[in-house]
Amino acid sequence: DTAVSQTPKYLVTQMGNDKSIKCEQNLGHDTMYWYKQDSKKFLKIMFSYNNKELIINETVPNRFSPKSPDKAHLNLHINSLELGDSAVYFCASSQVNAQGQVSFGSGTRLTVV
Amino acid sequence: GQQLNQSPQSMFIQEGEDVSMNCTSSSIFNTWLWYKQDPGEGPVLLIALYKAGELTSNGRLTAQFGITRKDSFLNISASIPSDVGIYFCAGSKNAKTSYDKVIFGPGTSLSVIP
Repeated sequence: DTAVSQTPKYLVTQMGNDKSIKCEQNLGHDTMYWYKQDSKKFLKIMFSYNNKELIINETVPNRFSPKSPDKAHLNLHINSLELGDSAVYFCASSQVNAQGQVSFGSGTRLTVV
Repeated sequence: GQQLNQSPQSMFIQEGEDVSMNCTSSSIFNTWLWYKQDPGEGPVLLIALYKAGELTSNGRLTAQFGITRKDSFLNISASIPSDVGIYFCAGSKNAKTSYDKVIFGPGTSLSVIP
């Protein structure tokens, strides 16, 4: 059983399109995240939700809108995609008192052409 | 902003050799963590450290939380081909809540030559 699962695994789309990435965790964690990994492998947090409430919102363009229908799901919607949005996006989750211990999904490789 | 530095950036070693890598920061962290990322997968936690000076092992892996709380080290003994991947250090300021951001280093890419 996959603990943190995200779909799709690969996403190729044209500039200007709107796309969504879905994420679900079956670990019973209260906190979920979206991370972005660029071509140089830098991992940077984008958003953090706790029990459906936004906790962390880094300096991310407002074209990126996370949505958490319940604490087991955190989806990422991206409007008006740009070339620079190409990256691998990781969903992750953790317990409230996990002290940095985060479980990651296997990533969604987004390519904007 | 907070930044972590890792060295070396990449390593090529022979199977069976020991590996050492480190992570430094200009600011203090209360928690240090080491993650490994296999190609095409998300990072997986290897070791977590919560106390300055702490030395923790996980199989062939040993990590230490620096006394100054500004650095951490990871050693891998007797490397094998499946050790290939990117090793990320990560730090957190607040040990009591996951609301605090976990900051990741830029990674050390390890290649093992059979």
